[in-house]
Amino acid sequence: ETGVTQSPTHLIKTRGQQVTLRCSSQSGHNTVSWYQQALGQGPQFIFQYYREEENGRGNFPPRFSGLQFPNYSSELNVNALELDDSALYLCASSLGREGYEQYFGPGTRLTVT
Amino acid sequence: AQSVTQPDIHITVSEGASLELRCNYSYGATPYLFWYVQSPGQGLQLLLKYFSGDTLVQGIKGFEAEFKRSQSSFNLRKPSVHWSDAAEYFCAVAGANDYKLSFGAGTTVTVRA
Repeated sequence: ETGVTQSPTHLIKTRGQQVTLRCSSQSGHNTVSWYQQALGQGPQFIFQYYREEENGRGNFPPRFSGLQFPNYSSELNVNALELDDSALYLCASSLGREGYEQYFGPGTRLTVT
Repeated sequence: AQSVTQPDIHITVSEGASLELRCNYSYGATPYLFWYVQSPGQGLQLLLKYFSGDTLVQGIKGFEAEFKRSQSSFNLRKPSVHWSDAAEYFCAVAGANDYKLSFGAGTTVTVRA
């Protein structure tokens, strides 16, 4: 059974640029959630996708957007990067619309300069 | 909206000693509660969860947690700590119709020889 994988591992971008982060769900899971973890803080919920549709969104601006594909993999896109977007971005997969038991990937460390 | 408070930012414990990490939550209905562990540079690993039933739940790596509704608490315990338990621990809460996880700020555990 393959766990949740994320790419890339690390990324450095310049303020104002755009970035795309990728996530592959654990085998059999059809729900993906994205979280932002700033240094020294707990993860903050960005949004969740269930069967290719957004199933909930946290307090993040519209420049944070996402996609889920038919194979349940997912992308997180961030436009117009700001310095405060520097964080660890975590993807979690779960089973079903009420997928409370979420399994996390290793994360992508994004640095915005 | 649900929230989680982890009162202890940092705990140092001797190897072989017991460990207790505190977690207090705020949620209007029956919460779903979780404990995750994060080792440096890695994603989150689910230690245990509480949905309903027996208020004392057992998890992986010898951890257990007790749900106390009257105190709005879900404290994590381990009878004898190993050096490999040094990590950051996060308590999280979700609601019956709100599938996002709300995390506390985390407690860093240091294990001394």
